[in-house]
Amino acid sequence: KAGVTQTPRYLIKTRGQQVTLSCSPISGHRSVSWYQQTPGQGLQFLFEYFSETQRNKGNFPGRFSGRQFSNSRSEMNVSTLELGDSALYLCASSISPPSTDTQYFGPGTRLTVL
Amino acid sequence: AQTVTQSQPEMSVQEAETVTLSCTYDTSESNYYLFWYKQPPSRQMILVIRQEAYKQQNATENRFSVNFQKAAKSFSLKISDSQLGDTAMYFCALYSGAGSYQLTFGKGTKLSVIP
Repeated sequence: KAGVTQTPRYLIKTRGQQVTLSCSPISGHRSVSWYQQTPGQGLQFLFEYFSETQRNKGNFPGRFSGRQFSNSRSEMNVSTLELGDSALYLCASSISPPSTDTQYFGPGTRLTVL
Repeated sequence: AQTVTQSQPEMSVQEAETVTLSCTYDTSESNYYLFWYKQPPSRQMILVIRQEAYKQQNATENRFSVNFQKAAKSFSLKISDSQLGDTAMYFCALYSGAGSYQLTFGKGTKLSVIP
């Protein structure tokens, strides 16, 4: 069974631009979570989707948004990019609500903002 | 709010030896799950082991085992017969459900296995 896939793997943008990252969960998984990883802040939760509904959102500004499609694929968007948005963005999927199953991570998208 | 603390930023161990990584956590929930994830230099986050809080028996996966002390809110990872491939960042994570639907991670421990 294929793992979680994320595209693109690497991305370079300039301040003020916007970016869309994509995540395809493991087949059969309906929950998708997003995390931001930086050297200073570590791993921080962005948001979680289940059956196309956002159930929780972390403490990030409104410039960070996401959505989930009927096939469970998810996208996250960051508008008006800032230098501090440079990070590794990780997507994780699980079969059912994470309380009963483990989250499996994708390889991440490395975003660099210049 | 739930927190996870890993007090050892870096550790090293000789190949074939045993090493223990520490993790303490705090949550007000009675039902929760604890995880250890490994992130090698390739950056892919890999699940190492999982523990349900309601289970008293410590989880074991091959060379990896945990010491789960619920009253002390401690969740350490023991790696036996360390191998060069174990070199990675190790993250302790807590999931307590209750509508949060998120993993809370510690800052990580960088483990180096020395040949």
